Amino acid sequence: EVQLVESGGTLVQPGESLRLSCAASGFAFSSYWMHWVRQAPGKGLEWVTDINQDGSVKFYADSVKGRFTISRDNAKNSLFLQMNSLRAEDTAVYYCARGETYAVFYWGQGALVTVSS
Amino acid sequence: QSALTQPPSASGSPGQSVTISCTGTNRDIGRYDFVSWYQQHPGRAPKLMIYEVTKRPSGVPDRFSASKSGNTASLTVSGLQAEDEADYYCCSYGGSNNLILIFGGGTKLTVL
Repeated sequence: EVQLVESGGTLVQPGESLRLSCAASGFAFSSYWMHWVRQAPGKGLEWVTDINQDGSVKFYADSVKGRFTISRDNAKNSLFLQMNSLRAEDTAVYYCARGETYAVFYWGQGALVTVSS
Repeated sequence: QSALTQPPSASGSPGQSVTISCTGTNRDIGRYDFVSWYQQHPGRAPKLMIYEVTKRPSGVPDRFSASKSGNTASLTVSGLQAEDEADYYCCSYGGSNNLILIFGGGTKLTVL
């Protein structure tokens, strides 16, 4: 069974940093593109970033470019999202997601990040 | 590129069919056959219902079907059931490095 379990979500102040983790199991983690998709409270889904199988290719939405960094550790079946210079508008549930043919086949349960003073 | 355009709401009675539209541009939906649809119940993670315009993942009932014409994709739910009440999001490959996936704003489907 495919499982994606996010951790690290919490309340932070504007300008602070936070690192989200995602533990993957039940599939060959190193064979898939992985994404982070977020959803602000009461709003729709927004693609944030993705990374290829070996971590050599990464893409970012304009809204987070230069502030967020995606990475992965295939030996530990883990995906990460380093978020710096956080803003109020980054408040959202962040989903770790497994990609395939430009669709998201599996989603984690989400990690809530709240940016507020 | 902006988000894909979906109607905010749709509704139907049990047993009926309902179709949700998703309008993009010739840079996304109109250019690529990488349209997907997601169902999201309140407080839950989204679930993939359709990928590559018309394909259903294993386990998704065949009451869910989809199509694409030009810059518009559509999801049809036939034989509506109470458990189909949820938010539905369309998604397309965005075709650019800073917009890999473009999502629609979501449609709240109500089963009357």
